[in-house]
Amino acid sequence: GNSVTQMEGPVTLSEEAFLTINCTYTATGYPSLFWYVQYPGEGLQLLLKATKADDKGSNKGFEATYRKETTSFHLEKGSVQVSDSAVYFCALTIPNAGGTSYGKLTFGQGTILTVHP
Amino acid sequence: KAGVTQTPRYLIKTRGQQVTLSCSPISGHRSVSWYQQTPGQGLQFLFEYFSETQRNKGNFPGRFSGRQFSNSRSEMNVSTLELGDSALYLCASSIKGQGAGYGYTFGSGTRLTVV
Repeated sequence: GNSVTQMEGPVTLSEEAFLTINCTYTATGYPSLFWYVQYPGEGLQLLLKATKADDKGSNKGFEATYRKETTSFHLEKGSVQVSDSAVYFCALTIPNAGGTSYGKLTFGQGTILTVHP
Repeated sequence: KAGVTQTPRYLIKTRGQQVTLSCSPISGHRSVSWYQQTPGQGLQFLFEYFSETQRNKGNFPGRFSGRQFSNSRSEMNVSTLELGDSALYLCASSIKGQGAGYGYTFGSGTRLTVV
């Protein structure tokens, strides 16, 4: 089956530190990959995505590169802010030949990030 | 442009009761998916609807059901509630069901507590 494994948390950093959250996956098929962020009391927000090997998704200073050879999609940010404190989820979906995926995302367990001033 | 709207935000029910949750997708989005989020199991896929048809289903018992209306709004129903059904239920919508390319937009969820 399909699965996503994220690095264990929680992760605690000082403001302006460099962030890496590791994500690896196993998939039957060619997945599309996503990072979602969840702030306290909220739903999930799409942070970035990549749909094919070597694509780099980026948004709000966050980046992740789709590495097919290592089945990874690690999230990075060069300088974190207190406002980045949240739970981060790596996820995949497997589109069929027609490009649809019938709604099913497979999520990692989430990584709690806390950034201190 | 309005986001995905879920109602109610919070709900408290008693074991054995049933509950209906509602989700209004972004205008133009025809695919609606439902997820259950718990501390122990994380985020788990429940089912997906497109043009009023269920196209995909996760591994949940038959007590969990859903439907979609012609305006793409969706409801999910849980019958005979159990304590373990306490969770945050999230709804997500996507353009034309092609979530792979476009990503999914999530609502803020309904927090269900079963007592």
